[in-house]
Amino acid sequence: KAGVTQTPRYLIKTRGQQVTLSCSPISGHRSVSWYQQTPGQGLQFLFEYFSETQRNKGNFPGRFSGRQFSNSRSEMNVSTLELGDSALYLCASTRSETSPTDTQYFGPGTRLTVL
Amino acid sequence: AQSVTQLGSHVSVSEGALVLLRCNYSSSVPPYLFWYVQYPNQGLQLLLKYTTGATLVKGINGFEAEFKKSETSFHLTKPSAHMSDAAEYFCAVIVQGGKLIFGQGTELSVKP
Repeated sequence: KAGVTQTPRYLIKTRGQQVTLSCSPISGHRSVSWYQQTPGQGLQFLFEYFSETQRNKGNFPGRFSGRQFSNSRSEMNVSTLELGDSALYLCASTRSETSPTDTQYFGPGTRLTVL
Repeated sequence: AQSVTQLGSHVSVSEGALVLLRCNYSSSVPPYLFWYVQYPNQGLQLLLKYTTGATLVKGINGFEAEFKKSETSFHLTKPSAHMSDAAEYFCAVIVQGGKLIFGQGTELSVKP
């Protein structure tokens, strides 16, 4: 069974641009979560989607948004990029409505560099 | 609010030595705790998790962790370090809605 895939793996943008990252969960998984990883702030939760609905959101500005499609694939969008948005963006999927016993499987991440 | 604290941002051990990575949690309710490992340029891989039941949890690659409620700890151990264990390790607690709260991470170096 294929794992979580994220595209692209690497991305370079300039300040003010916008970017869209994609995540394909493991087949049969319906919940997708996004995390931002930076050296300074560590791993921080962005948002979680289940059945095309955002169920949970972290403490990020409105420039960060996401969506989930009927096939459970998810995208996140960052508008008006800032230098501080440079990070590794990780996507994780779980089989069902995320419960404590469900493992979150992580993709390899998208490395975003903002110049 | 639930949180985890990892003691030591960097730990260095010799090959064959005991690995001990420390994690303490703060939670007003019974926590669900996880250890993840991240190799360079890769995502996170689950090592083990504690939900309910047995407090000594065995994971992959010879790692185990013990949930100690009295000490609010969930330390990760491995009896004998291998060079391939060099990576960054994250302790995490899950909160309502499936959101993982991570510690700051501990980078493990293994010397030959």
